[in-house]
Amino acid sequence: LAKTTQPISMDSYEGQEVNITCSHNNIATNDYITWYQQFPSQGPRFIIQGYKTKVTNEVASLFIPADRKSSTLSLPRVSLSDTAVYYCLVTSSGGYNKLIFGAGTRLAVHP
Amino acid sequence: DAGVIQSPRHEVTEMGQEVTLRCKPISGHNSLFWYRQTMMRGLELLIYFNNNVPIDDSGMPEDRFSAKMPNASFSTLKIQPSEPRDSAVYFCASSRSGGSSYEQYFGPGTRLTVT
Repeated sequence: LAKTTQPISMDSYEGQEVNITCSHNNIATNDYITWYQQFPSQGPRFIIQGYKTKVTNEVASLFIPADRKSSTLSLPRVSLSDTAVYYCLVTSSGGYNKLIFGAGTRLAVHP
Repeated sequence: DAGVIQSPRHEVTEMGQEVTLRCKPISGHNSLFWYRQTMMRGLELLIYFNNNVPIDDSGMPEDRFSAKMPNASFSTLKIQPSEPRDSAVYFCASSRSGGSSYEQYFGPGTRLTVT
């Protein structure tokens, strides 16, 4: 599985857009990029997944450039409740959907 | 749907005692995963099952840990004997295997404290 690198922590303010970038230089052709969110005292929760270009859902957008060596999770207009740890994962297609979590990015949203 | 159910939510035990953590996956999911989370080591995958069969237990720390899945709706993670360094939050997750979706559904976790 490709190794991922993302910032340890980020700070933002309510109403701002937050972009968290993850690098995955060794991503393979069959790999997908998946992001999870974890609130304190809860299990991680799936946010979004993509293979290339842009994916958007009701929670976030995921931007993946053509070389796929990085990806950016974009959270529009964050609120205090978006304070959480965000994990970027590279996952191989097929198989048993095995996930390997890194350290994640601890996002703190301030009033 | 009730989601993934784990019990107990909290467990405090003394070193040397046997600990059994339980998990009920979401109905219809055929993959089940056990994770452990600590401040020092983060979120670690311990073992996962597909169709009740253990596929990869390489993350199980040592022989004191064992996991079973006797049927599609129940799994256990057992630690015998427990040690203080086993103190952590243990999560169970389930998903539908195959395809290209990596959405796993996590339970609320069991916070284990071994004194």
